[in-house]
Amino acid sequence: KQEVTQIPAALSVPEGENLVLNCSFTDSAIYNLQWFRQDPGKGLTSLLLIQSSQREQTSGRLNASLDKSSGRSTLYIAASQPGDSATYLCCLRETSGSRLTFGEGTQLTVNP
Amino acid sequence: EAEVAQSPRYKITEKSQAVAFWCDPISGHATLYWYRQILGQGPELLVQFQDESVVDDSQLPKDRFSAERLKGVDSTLKIQPAELGDSAMYLCASSKDRMVDGYTFGSGTRLTVV
Repeated sequence: KQEVTQIPAALSVPEGENLVLNCSFTDSAIYNLQWFRQDPGKGLTSLLLIQSSQREQTSGRLNASLDKSSGRSTLYIAASQPGDSATYLCCLRETSGSRLTFGEGTQLTVNP
Repeated sequence: EAEVAQSPRYKITEKSQAVAFWCDPISGHATLYWYRQILGQGPELLVQFQDESVVDDSQLPKDRFSAERLKGVDSTLKIQPAELGDSAMYLCASSKDRMVDGYTFGSGTRLTVV
């Protein structure tokens, strides 16, 4: 059974820092991997989607990488801002059309 | 921008009572999903619909949970009877085609069972 682990569970940084969130998975046979953001009490907002054939995706200050052989993905946030404070969830899909398997998330706090 | 609508936003119910949640997906989205998210954990799929048909309900506790999407549009998730352990966020999501990426999540219903 696929397991997704996110480290750290919580992270607090001062504004302006560059930071890395980690996601690991146990079975490298994945279809794609996706990073979501969740604000307190809200639904999920998709940030970046990486197909299994890709190594990374970028959107603004966000960069996500995927290394299937080692079962790892990282989300890099450059020049963090207080508005980046949220829980970041990593999830993957094992085959086209299958369910999303989520990690437990990293709760990020960016202090002004 | 099109959204997935969910109601109510918050629900408090006593254990052993019945509770229902409603979801209206984005127009034209054939696939609808119900996820449950316990505080501090990632969401887990409860049920997936393709139009009005269930395609995955393997993790739905069928002794107390039921879901329907009668006309292939909006959907209702019901719990009867509710238990304390059902306290969670219930998220609905939709996609145009389950084979194509592009989930849109609603804002969720926060259920507290007392």
